Amino acid sequence: GESVGLHLPTLSVQEGDNSIINCAYSNSASDYFIWYKQESGKGPQFIIDIRSNMDKRQGQRVTVLLNKTVKHLSLQIAATQPGDSAVYFCAESLVPGNTPLVFGKGTRLSVIA
Amino acid sequence: GAVVSQHPSWVICKSGTSVKIECRSLDFQATTMFWYRQFPKQSLMLMATSNEGSKATYEQGVEKDKFLINHASLTLSTLTVTSAHPEDSSFYICSATDRGRSSSYEQYFGPGTRLTVT
Repeated sequence: GESVGLHLPTLSVQEGDNSIINCAYSNSASDYFIWYKQESGKGPQFIIDIRSNMDKRQGQRVTVLLNKTVKHLSLQIAATQPGDSAVYFCAESLVPGNTPLVFGKGTRLSVIA
Repeated sequence: GAVVSQHPSWVICKSGTSVKIECRSLDFQATTMFWYRQFPKQSLMLMATSNEGSKATYEQGVEKDKFLINHASLTLSTLTVTSAHPEDSSFYICSATDRGRSSSYEQYFGPGTRLTVT
């Protein structure tokens, strides 16, 4: 289930189940969205990105969905594995490339073996 | 490819001293480098944008005289925390975009530097 802690909400899932991590972004003018995975004490690791002219994009075991109407982004992870345990951040920018990213609050994914 | 390194990976310093953190793009030339700060259990917050050979652009609320950024080459940017205080203790992360890959939007992140001020 999902719980909201003082700073980071946590999502706990059973190994092998699918995970859905949600994000509400702030700027309706944002054109580029990215999901990052961050393990403890490490920098963010790119997972998947999507432009605003798309509503879905698939990668290996991951899918990103974009709903511009309600400014919502989600990350779906299929067949979640223990190695997927980490904090996941969505990020947005006005244009892709050399522009700063605005990060969402993050969700901690905990995979129960 | 597209590896970004940071040095040191962690540092402990005394209050009032200055600390320099390096961010290097190892196998590409970085058009732009960004510096972020992350407090425990919180998200990354942009501090400044750094372009080679020009002054950094700081985000609102970030003191440019306290957080000195130098971007002297296309592969190196440094962040100096001057007169550090315990409230500056944080995880500092840099990212870079690849000058040679105009079709790539990805920002490549370094591994971060843990600063603890005692």
